[in-house]
Amino acid sequence: DTAVSQTPKYLVTQMGNDKSIKCEQNLGHDTMYWYKQDSKKFLKIMFSYNNKELIINETVPNRFSPKSPDKAHLNLHINSLELGDSAVYFCASSLEGGYTFGSGTRLTVV
Amino acid sequence: RKEVEQDPGPFNVPEGATVAFNCTYSNSASQSFFWYRQDCRKEPKLLMSVYSSGNEDGRFTAQLNRASQYISLLIRDSKLSDSATYLCVVSKRRQLTFGSGTQLTVLP
Repeated sequence: DTAVSQTPKYLVTQMGNDKSIKCEQNLGHDTMYWYKQDSKKFLKIMFSYNNKELIINETVPNRFSPKSPDKAHLNLHINSLELGDSAVYFCASSLEGGYTFGSGTRLTVV
Repeated sequence: RKEVEQDPGPFNVPEGATVAFNCTYSNSASQSFFWYRQDCRKEPKLLMSVYSSGNEDGRFTAQLNRASQYISLLIRDSKLSDSATYLCVVSKRRQLTFGSGTQLTVLP
Protein backbone atom coordinates (compact mmCIF):
# COMPACT_ATOMS: atom_id res chain seq x y z
CA ASP A 1 0.00 0.00 0.00
CA THR A 2 2.94 2.30 -0.63
CA ALA A 3 1.71 5.85 -1.19
CA VAL A 4 4.67 7.24 -3.15
CA SER A 5 6.95 4.59 -4.58
CA GLN A 6 10.26 5.14 -6.33
CA THR A 7 12.37 2.66 -8.23
CA PRO A 8 15.11 1.75 -8.05
CA LYS A 9 16.05 2.27 -4.39
CA TYR A 10 19.76 2.12 -5.21
CA LEU A 11 21.49 2.87 -8.50
CA VAL A 12 25.21 2.58 -9.12
CA THR A 13 26.36 3.53 -12.59
CA GLN A 14 29.35 4.76 -14.52
CA MET A 15 29.99 8.30 -15.67
CA GLY A 16 28.53 9.05 -19.05
CA ASN A 17 25.64 6.60 -18.78
CA ASP A 18 21.96 7.51 -19.12
CA LYS A 19 19.57 6.35 -16.39
CA SER A 20 15.96 6.80 -15.32
CA ILE A 21 14.27 6.86 -11.94
CA LYS A 22 10.55 6.12 -11.77
CA CYS A 23 7.97 7.48 -9.36
CA GLU A 24 4.34 6.61 -8.86
CA GLN A 25 1.78 7.83 -6.33
CA ASN A 26 -1.59 6.27 -5.53
CA LEU A 27 -2.87 9.10 -3.34
CA GLY A 28 -4.81 10.95 -6.01
CA HIS A 29 -2.54 13.98 -5.55
CA ASP A 30 -2.42 16.48 -8.39
CA THR A 31 1.15 17.72 -7.98
CA MET A 32 4.39 15.76 -8.05
CA TYR A 33 7.97 16.80 -7.41
CA TRP A 34 11.58 15.76 -7.64
CA TYR A 35 13.98 16.84 -4.90
CA LYS A 36 17.73 16.25 -4.70
CA GLN A 37 19.55 15.75 -1.39
CA ASP A 38 23.29 16.13 -1.74
CA SER A 39 26.12 14.91 0.47
CA LYS A 40 25.65 17.89 2.78
CA LYS A 41 22.05 16.71 3.34
CA PHE A 42 20.58 19.83 1.75
CA LEU A 43 17.20 19.09 0.08
CA LYS A 44 16.53 21.18 -3.00
CA ILE A 45 13.62 21.16 -5.39
CA MET A 46 14.36 20.28 -9.01
CA PHE A 47 11.00 20.01 -10.75
CA SER A 48 7.30 20.19 -10.05
CA TYR A 49 4.42 18.96 -12.20
CA ASN A 50 0.76 19.78 -11.70
CA ASN A 51 -1.69 17.61 -13.62
CA LYS A 52 1.06 16.57 -16.03
CA GLU A 53 2.21 20.15 -16.67
CA LEU A 54 5.61 21.48 -15.63
CA ILE A 55 5.18 24.33 -13.13
CA ILE A 56 8.59 24.54 -11.46
CA ASN A 57 11.89 24.00 -13.17
CA GLU A 58 14.73 25.11 -10.96
CA THR A 59 18.20 25.64 -12.28
CA VAL A 60 19.29 22.12 -13.03
CA PRO A 61 21.42 20.97 -15.97
CA ASN A 62 19.37 20.13 -19.04
CA ARG A 63 20.78 16.61 -18.79
CA PHE A 64 17.91 16.12 -16.34
CA SER A 65 14.53 15.68 -18.01
CA PRO A 66 11.33 14.94 -16.12
CA LYS A 67 8.47 13.14 -17.82
CA SER A 68 4.91 12.86 -16.56
CA PRO A 69 2.83 10.42 -18.62
CA ASP A 70 -0.13 10.94 -16.28
CA LYS A 71 -0.73 12.68 -12.99
CA ALA A 72 0.14 9.56 -10.97
CA HIS A 73 3.63 9.24 -12.47
CA LEU A 74 6.67 11.48 -12.65
CA ASN A 75 9.84 9.92 -13.98
CA LEU A 76 13.30 11.47 -14.04
CA HIS A 77 15.70 10.76 -16.86
CA ILE A 78 19.35 11.74 -16.56
CA ASN A 79 21.70 11.82 -19.56
CA SER A 80 25.50 11.69 -19.49
CA LEU A 81 25.76 11.14 -15.76
CA GLU A 82 28.51 12.99 -13.90
CA LEU A 83 30.20 12.33 -10.55
CA GLY A 84 28.45 15.36 -9.09
CA ASP A 85 25.05 13.82 -9.80
CA SER A 86 25.64 11.38 -6.93
CA ALA A 87 22.93 12.13 -4.37
CA VAL A 88 19.65 10.88 -3.01
CA TYR A 89 16.71 11.80 -5.22
CA PHE A 90 13.30 12.05 -3.55
CA CYS A 91 10.00 12.03 -5.34
CA ALA A 92 7.04 13.65 -3.57
CA SER A 93 3.41 14.42 -4.21
CA SER A 94 0.95 16.86 -2.71
CA LEU A 95 -2.65 17.95 -2.70
CA GLU A 96 -3.49 21.32 -1.15
CA GLY A 97 -0.28 21.44 0.84
CA GLY A 98 -0.07 17.94 2.32
CA TYR A 99 3.21 16.47 1.11
CA THR A 100 4.19 12.80 0.97
CA PHE A 101 7.73 11.75 0.05
CA GLY A 102 8.94 8.55 -1.52
CA SER A 103 11.70 6.63 0.25
CA GLY A 104 14.38 7.98 -2.07
CA THR A 105 16.74 6.68 -4.76
CA ARG A 106 20.40 6.68 -3.81
CA LEU A 107 22.35 7.35 -7.00
CA THR A 108 26.09 6.75 -7.03
CA VAL A 109 28.06 7.67 -10.13
CA VAL A 110 31.49 6.07 -10.35
CA ARG B 1 22.01 34.09 1.73
CA LYS B 2 20.05 30.83 2.05
CA GLU B 3 16.27 31.12 1.99
CA VAL B 4 15.95 29.06 5.16
CA GLU B 5 18.73 29.06 7.73
CA GLN B 6 19.15 26.68 10.62
CA ASP B 7 21.90 25.92 13.10
CA PRO B 8 23.24 22.59 11.78
CA GLY B 9 24.20 21.36 15.24
CA PRO B 10 24.84 18.66 16.18
CA PHE B 11 22.89 18.90 19.38
CA ASN B 12 23.77 16.10 21.81
CA VAL B 13 21.45 16.07 24.80
CA PRO B 14 20.68 13.61 27.61
CA GLU B 15 17.32 11.86 27.80
CA GLY B 16 14.74 14.03 29.48
CA ALA B 17 16.35 17.30 28.42
CA THR B 18 14.52 20.16 26.76
CA VAL B 19 15.99 21.27 23.46
CA ALA B 20 15.12 24.21 21.21
CA PHE B 21 15.77 24.66 17.51
CA ASN B 22 15.59 27.96 15.69
CA CYS B 23 15.18 28.86 12.08
CA THR B 24 14.96 32.06 10.04
CA TYR B 25 13.60 32.55 6.55
CA SER B 26 14.24 35.31 4.07
CA ASN B 27 11.14 35.35 1.85
CA SER B 28 8.46 37.44 3.55
CA ALA B 29 5.91 36.12 1.02
CA SER B 30 6.21 32.59 2.44
CA GLN B 31 2.77 31.25 3.19
CA SER B 32 3.08 28.07 5.24
CA PHE B 33 5.61 26.76 7.70
CA PHE B 34 6.51 23.30 8.90
CA TRP B 35 8.95 21.18 10.85
CA TYR B 36 9.90 17.91 9.19
CA ARG B 37 11.87 15.08 10.71
CA GLN B 38 14.35 12.98 8.73
CA ASP B 39 15.87 9.81 10.10
CA CYS B 40 19.18 8.56 8.73
CA ARG B 41 18.77 7.25 5.17
CA LYS B 42 15.02 7.83 5.22
CA GLU B 43 12.66 10.30 3.63
CA PRO B 44 11.55 13.50 5.38
CA LYS B 45 8.28 13.17 7.28
CA LEU B 46 6.03 15.95 8.50
CA LEU B 47 6.39 16.52 12.24
CA MET B 48 4.05 19.47 12.57
CA SER B 49 2.79 22.60 10.89
CA VAL B 50 3.66 25.93 12.50
CA TYR B 51 1.20 28.74 13.17
CA SER B 52 1.60 32.28 14.47
CA SER B 53 -0.56 31.45 17.45
CA GLY B 54 1.85 28.67 18.38
CA ASN B 55 0.87 25.05 18.43
CA GLU B 56 1.64 22.05 20.56
CA ASP B 57 1.63 18.35 19.85
CA GLY B 58 2.50 16.36 22.94
CA ARG B 59 6.10 17.13 23.85
CA PHE B 60 6.60 19.31 20.77
CA THR B 61 5.81 23.02 20.59
CA ALA B 62 6.24 25.11 17.47
CA GLN B 63 6.11 28.87 17.12
CA LEU B 64 6.14 31.29 14.22
CA ASN B 65 7.00 34.97 14.37
CA ARG B 66 6.14 36.48 10.98
CA ALA B 67 7.45 39.93 11.86
CA SER B 68 10.95 38.64 12.54
CA GLN B 69 10.64 35.72 10.07
CA TYR B 70 11.60 33.29 12.77
CA ILE B 71 10.40 29.75 13.48
CA SER B 72 11.14 27.64 16.53
CA LEU B 73 10.66 24.09 17.74
CA LEU B 74 10.83 23.05 21.38
CA ILE B 75 11.11 19.41 22.40
CA ARG B 76 10.44 18.66 26.06
CA ASP B 77 11.42 15.49 27.93
CA SER B 78 13.45 14.25 24.96
CA LYS B 79 13.48 10.53 24.21
CA LEU B 80 16.11 8.39 22.51
CA SER B 81 13.68 8.00 19.61
CA ASP B 82 13.75 11.77 19.02
CA SER B 83 17.27 11.41 17.57
CA ALA B 84 17.00 12.59 13.96
CA THR B 85 17.58 15.61 11.76
CA TYR B 86 14.94 18.31 12.10
CA LEU B 87 14.21 20.31 8.97
CA CYS B 88 12.69 23.76 9.01
CA VAL B 89 10.51 24.16 5.92
CA VAL B 90 8.68 27.11 4.37
CA SER B 91 6.19 26.92 1.56
CA LYS B 92 4.99 29.33 -1.08
CA ARG B 93 2.46 28.23 -3.70
CA ARG B 94 3.02 24.60 -2.67
CA GLN B 95 6.76 24.70 -3.28
CA LEU B 96 8.65 23.60 -0.18
CA THR B 97 12.00 25.18 0.63
CA PHE B 98 14.04 23.26 3.17
CA GLY B 99 16.63 24.39 5.65
CA SER B 100 19.76 22.29 5.84
CA GLY B 101 18.54 20.61 9.02
CA THR B 102 19.59 20.42 12.64
CA GLN B 103 20.94 17.10 13.85
CA LEU B 104 19.76 15.94 17.26
CA THR B 105 21.18 13.01 19.19
CA VAL B 106 19.53 12.08 22.48
CA LEU B 107 21.93 10.19 24.72
CA PRO B 108 20.98 7.58 27.33
